[in-house]
Amino acid sequence: TQLLEQSPQFLSIQEGENLTVYCNSSSVFSSLQWYRQEPGEGPVLLVTVVTGGEVKKLKRLTFQFGDARKDSSLHITAAQPGDTGLYLCAANSGGSNYKLTFGKGTLLTVNP
Amino acid sequence: DTEVTQTPKHLVMGMTNKKSLKCEQHMGHRAMYWYKQKAKKPPELMFVYSYEKLSINESVPSRFSPECPNSSLLNLHLHALQPEDSALYLCASSRKPGQGAGNTIYFGEGSWLTVV
Repeated sequence: TQLLEQSPQFLSIQEGENLTVYCNSSSVFSSLQWYRQEPGEGPVLLVTVVTGGEVKKLKRLTFQFGDARKDSSLHITAAQPGDTGLYLCAANSGGSNYKLTFGKGTLLTVNP
Repeated sequence: DTEVTQTPKHLVMGMTNKKSLKCEQHMGHRAMYWYKQKAKKPPELMFVYSYEKLSINESVPSRFSPECPNSSLLNLHLHALQPEDSALYLCASSRKPGQGAGNTIYFGEGSWLTVV
């Protein structure tokens, strides 16, 4: 069973602060996705990373895929209350495996 | 367009009722999924359809019955559910099943199910 360890599980910060969420595994993944989910809604895709060492930026969000494709990070600069939500990393091992392995999620609260 | 549409958004049903959740996507995706999610937990895979055929059933109780009438539609038929089945049910789709790198899964907004 492939495990994806996500940390921290809970994070409460003030508006304007920076934060980083980590997603780690001992397994190699062919791709990794980051989602953001608000209460009562489905997960919304933020980014897919595919290449080892890849860095992608989405406004104040920076995503990185580790060189060995075993880990990833999400960094948010100058967090805003609108960033509040559940952040999920999910990885695909490729091949004939249809399953997406999820991390346990990071519940982020940004206080005004 | 990366839209997966689910109906209804909210459903309340008794333990003896029969109801269905519906899902639709028009992205030409050939893999469709049902997930179950409890509050503040990650989604848990229930079923996977690949090219309209059921390819994975994650030991889901038979009171949940999936159906894929065509490549754009996915249903989840519900019968004799228990209160502990109350959860957010998520439909998702991806371009090609098992194609590994870059085969991103897109989720619908979910159907909130309450069993009373």
